[in-house]
Amino acid sequence: DIQMTQSPSSLSASVGDRVTITCRASQDIRHYVAWVQQRPGKAPKSLIFASSRLHPGVSSKFSGSGYGTDFTLTINNLQPEDFATYYCQQYTSYPITFGGGTKVEIK
Amino acid sequence: QVQLQESGPGLVKPSQTLSLTCTVSGGSMSTGRYYWNWIRQNPVKGLEWIASILDSDNTYYNPSLTSRASISVDTSKSQFFLNLASATVADTAVYYCARGGRGHCVDGSCFSESFQHWGQGALVTVSS
Repeated sequence: DIQMTQSPSSLSASVGDRVTITCRASQDIRHYVAWVQQRPGKAPKSLIFASSRLHPGVSSKFSGSGYGTDFTLTINNLQPEDFATYYCQQYTSYPITFGGGTKVEIK
Repeated sequence: QVQLQESGPGLVKPSQTLSLTCTVSGGSMSTGRYYWNWIRQNPVKGLEWIASILDSDNTYYNPSLTSRASISVDTSKSQFFLNLASATVADTAVYYCARGGRGHCVDGSCFSESFQHWGQGALVTVSS
């Protein structure tokens, strides 16, 4: 199975900050990475697929990059609704696997 | 806008079959156009992919479930289903259904282009 390792596991940031979350795959997955956001008590919401492509309706404050084994999710101008847990996911090898999550908390 | 809604018993006894239904509204369930997926989440394992189906000839399962899972779709009812046999306490989780577009294929296996739309989730507790 491909392991997806996220870092950090949690971070504290202030409204207006820019934050970056990293995700490392245990083997080359090309650009087949998705990012999902999960607010407390809510279902996951898909943000990005194919490493850098935003799903329709997702704010351009979210951006993704990376290829191969190293990927990043950047969130600009952090707002209260962005405080959530973010997960990366690979979808080019079965079983599909997720990272352990990065919790973005208010400083 | 497509919406997905999970339904099923909230409590299942150990060794019984856990059965869930996902009802799709606001979008097409045309065979072969989308992947229909089940994912679960619990504090121990985090988010765990269970199974995906494109059509009856294209189904994929997480090997960690040791062949206990079965996914199927009924486009005439706009529903798809998950059965998980021989449930144990470890299967206690919030179960999500999700839809994804047709993605790429690698070495004979094909993939959903991520999980674009998710249901609200259904908590299933396995307990006697």
